Amino acid sequence: DAKTTQPPSMDCAEGRAANLPCNHSTISGNEYVYWYRQIHSQGPQYIIHGLKNNETNEMASLIITEDRKSSTLILPHATLRDTAVYYCIVRPPSGTYKYIFGTGTRLKVLA
Amino acid sequence: GAVVSQHPSRVICKSGTSVKIECRSLDFQATTMFWYRQFPKQSLMLMATSNEGSKATYEQGVEKDKFLINHASLTLSTLTVTSAHPEDSSFYICSARVDTSVHEQYFGPGTRLTVT
Repeated sequence: DAKTTQPPSMDCAEGRAANLPCNHSTISGNEYVYWYRQIHSQGPQYIIHGLKNNETNEMASLIITEDRKSSTLILPHATLRDTAVYYCIVRPPSGTYKYIFGTGTRLKVLA
Repeated sequence: GAVVSQHPSRVICKSGTSVKIECRSLDFQATTMFWYRQFPKQSLMLMATSNEGSKATYEQGVEKDKFLINHASLTLSTLTVTSAHPEDSSFYICSARVDTSVHEQYFGPGTRLTVT
């Protein structure tokens, strides 16, 4: 079973920040949080990952709460091309490092 | 970097035939690749973990004799759907794990299989 819970859908106005929450209350201390997105009929695209600290790259920012039980992916200036399903994944710390996908959040950016 | 390709991108086959799907890591070596299946409007479901030079590890409920996986080199894994039936019609996606301290996966573009 997936270790994450996300809202099924969200809308965001173009140009505004999109904040996508993820709950991972059972995360253990050495498990990473990964975010991917999937545009219709394509393979998932890596966005960002983090362990404890907040992270930022050219695509997004990841805010992880101090207790690590939840995180938020922030797209600072959403565009129509950001319309996709966003998946938050908790990756195990060892073994094959396999992903178990949850249901994700379907983000629709509105013009 | 970190590009994964799949071939074919879409395939239509008749019921009872077998179909092979290739997954290649183009600019890195991957000792581990993964195969997922995705039905319309659903999430990705992990089918199996493919390890170079050894047998694949299948998730519970996935028939290993129906979905044959071969990982013969560090850049190629193949999934063969044997004796395909219409219920096997789906979007099949592979990923390759980067062997660094982060162990992130990069995904292929997917293969749309339609069994008639």
